[in-house]
Amino acid sequence: NAGVTQTPKFRVLKTGQSMTLLCAQDMNHEYMYWYRQDPGMGLRLIHYSVGEGTTAKGEVPDGYNVSRLKKQNFLLGLESAAPSQTSVYFCASSYLFDSSSYNEQFFGPGTRLTVL
Amino acid sequence: KNEVEQSPQNLTAQEGEFITINCSYSVGISALHWLQQHPGGGIVSLFMLSSGKKKHGRLIATINIQEKHSSLHITASHPRDSAVYICAGDSGTYKYIFGTGTRLKVLA
Repeated sequence: NAGVTQTPKFRVLKTGQSMTLLCAQDMNHEYMYWYRQDPGMGLRLIHYSVGEGTTAKGEVPDGYNVSRLKKQNFLLGLESAAPSQTSVYFCASSYLFDSSSYNEQFFGPGTRLTVL
Repeated sequence: KNEVEQSPQNLTAQEGEFITINCSYSVGISALHWLQQHPGGGIVSLFMLSSGKKKHGRLIATINIQEKHSSLHITASHPRDSAVYICAGDSGTYKYIFGTGTRLKVLA
């Protein structure tokens, strides 16, 4: 049981390049999230998904796209990277919320992205 | 003003000291999650609680839902406890409301 995994762990891009970050979870969780973490800013939600085939915008969605074609995978895409997207990206997942359970999120190890 | 406030923002302690990190929130939450992040590392779950107290090893978390306040205590602190501690409120939907973190440094 690997939990939440992210690939790659590190990446350096040049301005204008594109890339995709992959998040995978093996816990059969319905909800998945992409966050970015910047110094002094805390964790900010980029996009999230409440189930296979669904995605929604979070607080800071501009410049990113996402897809959830399979329940276990959540992809984050940067179409044209900018230096402002230099950050550490975390993926998380949680089980289906209902009135009797917490929405406990489980985090991946992070991807450190530098855009030059 | 953040909806979830942590204090202090930075904390330096000597090894062996008792440490308290506070988390206050101004919005309704159904539970609170304490997370730990070592420098350059991932985010690890410590506790999730909606009432009372939880203990794991040298770590204790308490919450008072009526007062909208939670505390994380570390007994007999050790340099390996040096990390950023983050509290996050479960808003009762599928989103977290994060504090900005408390950076703890424990000196040997």
